[in-house]
Amino acid sequence: SQTIHQWPATLVQPVGSPLSLECTVEGTSNPNLYWYRQAAGRGLQLLFYSVGIGQISSEVPQNLSASRPQDRQFILSSKKLLLSDSGFYLCAWSGWSSYNSPLHFGNGTRLTVT
Amino acid sequence: DQQVKQNSPSLSVQEGRISILNCDYTNSMFDYFLWYKKYPAEGPTFLISISSIKDKNEDGRFTVFLNKSAKHLSLHIVPSQPGDSAVYFCAASGNQGAQKLVFGQGTRLTINP
Repeated sequence: SQTIHQWPATLVQPVGSPLSLECTVEGTSNPNLYWYRQAAGRGLQLLFYSVGIGQISSEVPQNLSASRPQDRQFILSSKKLLLSDSGFYLCAWSGWSSYNSPLHFGNGTRLTVT
Repeated sequence: DQQVKQNSPSLSVQEGRISILNCDYTNSMFDYFLWYKKYPAEGPTFLISISSIKDKNEDGRFTVFLNKSAKHLSLHIVPSQPGDSAVYFCAASGNQGAQKLVFGQGTRLTINP
């Protein structure tokens, strides 16, 4: 069965520090991969998605970047965190072959920028 | 621009009764709709979906209704159980290839014993 791992679960970082969140998927090949963010009191916002190694699409202009160095690895990064980067970050995957396959989410990372 | 809206931030229902969660959307290009359930400190889990060619989809205690003319969908849970207490998100996607879901703000459902 497929599993998705996301770490760390919680993170407290000072403003201006770098960020690296990692997500890996097991049990599937060629997944579509996604990074979502949930800000306080708001819905989930798509930040990045990837349909293959090295292929990243950004949905909103922001202080963050994403990379996909391997088929089942997706990384969310920032060189200098802002206070507004605080939120709940979720990695997700979906099958590549079925347009309407649902997203499967990891357990998320709670990021607090102080 | 909030394309998917859940106007009720919270809902409280008695155990055994029906829970009805509502969702409205504005983008007529959306053709696939999903409901996710989220417990605290966990990621959302997929619950049920519906394609725009249908107006109803049922899975056990969960039924999703779609009214395309009103751009409205609802999730019915019957009978409601304490384990159904969670935040429920509706989401929609259109003909955009990869699963670029647009999510609502969520509704916190509390089932009272």
